[in-house]
Amino acid sequence: DMKVTQMPRYLIKRMGENVLLECGQDMSHETMYWYRQDPGLGLQLIYISYDVDSNSEGDIPKGYRVSRKKREHFSLILDSAKTNQTSVYFCASSPPGQNTEVFFGKGTRLTVV
Amino acid sequence: GNSVTQMQGQVTLSEEEFLFINCTYSTTGYPTLFWYVQYPGEGPQLLLKVTTANNKGSSRGFEATYDKGTTSFHLQKASVQESDSAVYYCVLGSSGGNYKPTFGKGTSLVVHP
Repeated sequence: DMKVTQMPRYLIKRMGENVLLECGQDMSHETMYWYRQDPGLGLQLIYISYDVDSNSEGDIPKGYRVSRKKREHFSLILDSAKTNQTSVYFCASSPPGQNTEVFFGKGTRLTVV
Repeated sequence: GNSVTQMQGQVTLSEEEFLFINCTYSTTGYPTLFWYVQYPGEGPQLLLKVTTANNKGSSRGFEATYDKGTTSFHLQKASVQESDSAVYYCVLGSSGGNYKPTFGKGTSLVVHP
């Protein structure tokens, strides 16, 4: 069963705390993504990873960093979380090649208080 | 660079009405165009895609035509159901270099019984 798994699904953190969002996929996809979704703004790309230790900034990378040490895992890290990072975060993956389908996880709802 | 415009933030219909969601794009080359659908509590998932200009794609009663002349990829459905209530994203693939799809801001469809 092909899927992208995100943990945790819900998370509440205090401002200034560090946050780790984890993502796994069982399809051996080379490319993985992190997006955030906010009302009225749609999906905004934070980072793309094209393979292990091959990460590129997306459109809104500030305040985030990522780690990909295994092809099947891609982590999003918020060092010293801010209230404006409250959002729903989606991880996704896609097979190699151009114009392929992107497979999304169910999302993590992060609230920073 | 690439861009996708969805002018309608929300569309509200009654069951059995006709659906039209506007999407225009800007790009060079000949990328694939996609529609993704996101149901409540889920991540986006592929609805349909069209690889070749001037072709039509269809899935689950939804249709979209890749019109290179007007740079449009509007989504249509003849008769909506309450279960079609979701957010719809128009997505532009990329051609050349590392793959980076471009998402529109999404259109929320609300269908009343």
